Amino acid sequence: KQEVTQIPAALSVPEGENLVLNCSFTDSAIYNLQWFRQDPGKGLTSLLLIQSSQREQTSGRLNASLDKSSGRSTLYIAASQPGDSATYLCAVMDSSYKLIFGSGTRLLVRP
Amino acid sequence: DGGITQSPKYLFRKEGQNVTLSCEQNLNHDAMYWYRQDPGQGLRLIYYSQIVNDFQKGDIAEGYSVSREKKESFPLTVTSAQKNPTAFYLCAVGDRVTNTGELFFGEGSRLTVL
Repeated sequence: KQEVTQIPAALSVPEGENLVLNCSFTDSAIYNLQWFRQDPGKGLTSLLLIQSSQREQTSGRLNASLDKSSGRSTLYIAASQPGDSATYLCAVMDSSYKLIFGSGTRLLVRP
Repeated sequence: DGGITQSPKYLFRKEGQNVTLSCEQNLNHDAMYWYRQDPGQGLRLIYYSQIVNDFQKGDIAEGYSVSREKKESFPLTVTSAQKNPTAFYLCAVGDRVTNTGELFFGEGSRLTVL
């Protein structure tokens, strides 16, 4: 059974710092990997999607990498801002199009 | 996402009552999903539907039921058999036409059992 783990569970950094969020999964037979952002009490906003054949995706200050063989993904946030404060969720899609989520990393960027 | 509407946003229910959460989409996507989120945790899959008139159980289907009579709609009923129904419920819609597998989420419905 696919399991997704995110480390750290919580992170607090000063504004301007570059940071990395980690995601690992147990079964490398994935269709894609997605990173989402969730603000308190809200739904999920898709940040980046990496297909199984890809190694990375970039959007603005965000860069996500995928290493299927080792079962790892990282989300890199450059020059963090207080507006980046949110929970970041990693999810992998299996071959039956089910999306399996990690527990998330709660990020606080201090002004 | 503007193309996915969940209602109601907040719902209170007495123990023993069934309640139905609505999810409507105008994105013309085939796949629809229901997830449950408990405080400080990730999302767990309740039910999903890849096509009209077909749906499959997810990891925590007990105490829930769904129907998929129309492409645009995938309502979730939380029955009295669900032991801990208080949670945040999220509906998602998936892009199968282009096969990217990307999911788009609604704003969620928060259910509280009194």
